[in-house]
Parts: sequence; structure tokens; C-alpha cells
Amino acid sequence: ETGVTQSPTHLIKTRGQQVTLRCSSQSGHNTVSWYQQALGQGPQFIFQYYREEENGRGNFPPRFSGLQFPNYSSELNVNALELDDSALYLCASSLEDRNYGYTFGSGTRLTVV
Amino acid sequence: LAKTTQPISMDSYEGQEVNITCSHNNIATNDYITWYQQFPSQGPRFIIQGYKTKVTNEVASLFIPADRKSSTLSLPRVSLSDTAVYYCLVGDKDSGYSTLTFGKGTMLLVSP
Repeated sequence: ETGVTQSPTHLIKTRGQQVTLRCSSQSGHNTVSWYQQALGQGPQFIFQYYREEENGRGNFPPRFSGLQFPNYSSELNVNALELDDSALYLCASSLEDRNYGYTFGSGTRLTVV
Repeated sequence: LAKTTQPISMDSYEGQEVNITCSHNNIATNDYITWYQQFPSQGPRFIIQGYKTKVTNEVASLFIPADRKSSTLSLPRVSLSDTAVYYCLVGDKDSGYSTLTFGKGTMLLVSP
């Protein structure tokens, strides 16, 4: 059973709108990463937070932003939604010691119409 | 720039052993090799990680030759529930931040 939970599971938004996706990390995990997975593709790294600071970012525009909170929950915000933003958004958490890899949530399926 | 290359798809039957090979010709000295499994509409799940030689856990084995330019994930006696996409990743797990670079993975279909 995964220790990472994401909400909502599904979401439909209109082009130009803003969306906030939420993630509750596995207990004790101080690092959280967000990934975008388009249909038929592997997940693509968006950014990572460590102890509430962004410490890594992939090739995504500034309209993708995030927050990590002291309780290790986090948010992914996307402004000015575009049709190509339709994808599965995955949150992954880990300890500083990544011997056992990252734990992923089941994702939020975002559809932009 | 793709860091790994693996077959797009593989077919097998229940009870067989499945070996999925991944090429990573440009693997760096500090890079580890990690495999993830992903079912439809779920997040990837960590299977196994290794640096060299052989690693075995309750789910799979990972074989890494001395030159580390490839690795093979071995799944013993697969069942229908092993039908999934398998991703091979390389990366430095001890870096300041470590991102997972996924390719398209290998779609494994297990048939009765």
C-alpha cells in the first residue's frame, strides 16, 4: 500500500484556468518531486522540494510552481492551463537516503478542454 | 538525451522467466541502476537497485556486467499480474538532488 496520497484523482479544467494538485508524502520523507506523464510516455521531472525549498527543476515553464509544507505535504500549481497540460501528474517522496528509491502516489489525471 | 535504451515491448507466458535488458553506454562512475514497475493509472513502483554484479530481492534479480554498460532485470516465474511497464533508470543517488529520468520503458505482456 502506497504511503503517498494525491488529490484529486481526476480533474477537468478549461484552457486558461488555474489548477492546484495536492500530495501527502510518506511519513518522514523530506523530499518531494513532481512528475508529468503524458499518455504513452514515461514520467517527466517537473521539480523537487527538499525541506520546503525548491532544489531542482526540469524543463517546465514558470507557470508550473509548487510548495512544500512543514508537514511534508506539497502542492503543484499550474497557471494558464493549456491543452498539452493534460496528463497524469505524479508526486514522489523519498528520504535523504534514497537507498530504497522513491515512493510514488497514484497520481492526478488532469484533462484540459 | 536518452540515458537508457530498452525494448519497447516484450511478451511472455505465465510461469516463464523474463529478462529485460537495458543499455546505458554512458553510465557515470557514481550512477546507480534502478528499475521501476508501473501499472496503468498508477505511479511507478520501485523494484530493485544496484551498482555492480548481482542484486536479488524478493521480487526480482538485477544483473550488471563488469563494464556496467548494460543491466538485465530478471523476473522469475511471471504471472498475469506482472503485466506492466518496466523502466530502467540510471542516476547518482548521492547527488545534491536526484531526479529520475524515465524513458518510454518496456511494456511486458504476460499471457495465460
